[in-house]
Amino acid sequence: DAKTTQPTSMDCAEGRAANLPCNHSTISGNEYVYWYRQIHSQGPQYIIHGLKNNETNEMASLIITEDRKSSTLILPHATLRDTAVYYCIVRVPSSGGYQKVTFGTGTKLQVIP
Amino acid sequence: DTGVSQDPRHKITKRGQNVTFRCDPISEHNRLYWYRQTLGQGPEFLTYFQNEAQLEKSRLLSDRFSAERPKGSFSTLEIQRTEQGDSAMYLCASSSHLRQGRLRDTQYFGPGTRLTVL
Repeated sequence: DAKTTQPTSMDCAEGRAANLPCNHSTISGNEYVYWYRQIHSQGPQYIIHGLKNNETNEMASLIITEDRKSSTLILPHATLRDTAVYYCIVRVPSSGGYQKVTFGTGTKLQVIP
Repeated sequence: DTGVSQDPRHKITKRGQNVTFRCDPISEHNRLYWYRQTLGQGPEFLTYFQNEAQLEKSRLLSDRFSAERPKGSFSTLEIQRTEQGDSAMYLCASSSHLRQGRLRDTQYFGPGTRLTVL
């Protein structure tokens, strides 16, 4: 498995963009980058994923560097409800065998009023 | 998608007792996963089913743990002779590797069952 490294914690002012970085320097060519978040005492919530192109959905944007060794999750206008632990993982969405997914300890994002 | 559901949400038990948790995946999701999460850590993989077949088990899954998915729909996770170290959040996730498009095999998690062993 490619492993990911994320900062332990970050603060962001309410209404500002939150930029959460993730390093995945050993990512394989067919591995996607997935982002999940976990609000206290709830299950992880899928946010977004991508292979090499930048992606955007109603929740966030994902910017992946050209060499794919790092990525940034962007929450364009952070609200207090975005306070959570954000996990970056890499995996292959596969029609074949299962690839173990390894979650690290994530980044605890605190949105400040 | 109605979402992954888990029951119960909370369980308190005494050491040595057996407990069973249930997971109902998103309908038509053929893959189901169990994870365990302790305080301050990310989820750790326990086991994985494709339809009714259990295809992968982590070495974290000791012989006191057993998981089933008898009809390829809901799954149960049983812990026998619970120990205080079993106290954790037990998470279930499901996915469909047959689904077409960008969300193929994306895992969706349930709310978890929080187990406390006294």
